[in-house]
Amino acid sequence: QVQLQESGPGLVEPSETLSLTCTVSGGSMTTHYWTWIRQPPGKGPEWIGYTHYSENIIFNPSLKSRVTMSIDTPNSQFSLRLRSVTAADTAVYYCARGGCESSSCYHYWFDSWGQGILVTVSS
Amino acid sequence: DIVMTQSPDSLAVSLGERATINCKSSRSVLYSSNDKNYLAWYQQKPGQPPKLLIYWASTRESGVPDRFSGSGSGTDFTLTINSLQAEDLAVYYCQQYYGTPWTFGQGTKVEI
Repeated sequence: QVQLQESGPGLVEPSETLSLTCTVSGGSMTTHYWTWIRQPPGKGPEWIGYTHYSENIIFNPSLKSRVTMSIDTPNSQFSLRLRSVTAADTAVYYCARGGCESSSCYHYWFDSWGQGILVTVSS
Repeated sequence: DIVMTQSPDSLAVSLGERATINCKSSRSVLYSSNDKNYLAWYQQKPGQPPKLLIYWASTRESGVPDRFSGSGSGTDFTLTINSLQAEDLAVYYCQQYYGTPWTFGQGTKVEI
């Protein structure tokens, strides 16, 4: 049973960089796609982007200029960096795994999620 | 971006009754080459991450009770919960993965 766990600071000052890491246990990092999703308080989720061990990375265009993602398969981790944050970036940030069907894995839907980490942007 | 609009925003249902949640996409999420609808449904309970219920619009994820079913095609989709149980009280989201950025609906809260 795969488990995902987000880690990082819960408070970031405006204009600074938000940095989060997701640690994956109980599953292979090379088979699946790995995704970051955020959810502002009281709102629906927002897809940030996905990465894959082949270094195929796709971002949400609305965040593309500020986002960096990386993957460290030997240590079973992948990371998110979001630059120049504002109060609008306050949200619960989730890491998630792309689902598979039969022998194919996709970046389409998300079958395993971390518990989420609330990141507040405030001075 | 493809906009996903759910209705209603909230739904009061008695235990044992049926709940029906609608999701409409701003353009078709049916991929003609494989005849698949690129749509998923999730359930989210307070303080928890979303849980995958259905993908390809109607394929139930492993372990999801068969009282949950998805239907629809093109731009109009429905999640049906038959014989509502107390543990089904949650917010439900649809998500399209036809075109990036993947987008979610605003959510439908199911309550008694």
